[in-house]
Amino acid sequence: DAKTTQPNSMESNEEEPVHLPCNHSTISGTDYIHWYRQLPSQGPEYVIHGLTSNVNNRMASLAIAEDRKSSTLILHRATLRDAAVYYCIKSRDNYGQNFVFGPGTRLSVLP
Amino acid sequence: ETGVTQSPTHLIKTRGQQVTLRCSSQSGHNTVSWYQQALGQGPQFIFQYYREEENGRGNFPPRFSGLQFPNYSSELNVNALELDDSALYLCASSSVAYTYNEQFFGPGTRLTVL
Repeated sequence: DAKTTQPNSMESNEEEPVHLPCNHSTISGTDYIHWYRQLPSQGPEYVIHGLTSNVNNRMASLAIAEDRKSSTLILHRATLRDAAVYYCIKSRDNYGQNFVFGPGTRLSVLP
Repeated sequence: ETGVTQSPTHLIKTRGQQVTLRCSSQSGHNTVSWYQQALGQGPQFIFQYYREEENGRGNFPPRFSGLQFPNYSSELNVNALELDDSALYLCASSSVAYTYNEQFFGPGTRLTVL
């Protein structure tokens, strides 16, 4: 199964860090790990991606386990706008044609 | 810079009918992908078009077909609609000119089949 495994839901308080885990135990050596999120009533939007090393951008950080079988998306200070469904995707390329979305993690942010 | 737009926003059809959904890619993008998202599920990849040719297909039957035009806009056609085709249909555009093909999604078309 090419899908990843994520918790169905998580909850966080506003302005606190959030760690969203993802298990991709069947990952191959050349698979990328992508994170997208879907805000209510919108299409998904890109968050971050990585291959082997940890990655940082203005939205989040991605921590990839040494064996690459799991990763964690880190939101450093959750805001109410971060409430969304977060999808962890692995694919053998970065062209999007082999994206397999699972049900994702629904993140709730409490004020 | 104009984002990805889709039309119509909502659509109601009856079983057996045919439907055409439209997508206008983000400026400068030459690749478009279509996804089907059932309620409470993640998007499922239907197919991708690059320079007007199908460039990959997910596990969807041939009654799902598409077109990409020279201006990189795109259509998704579904024939012989079934009740299970009721879903949110998303298109996403990207450009292979960049190192990473970040996909930019439109807001989707909500299709209801009665």
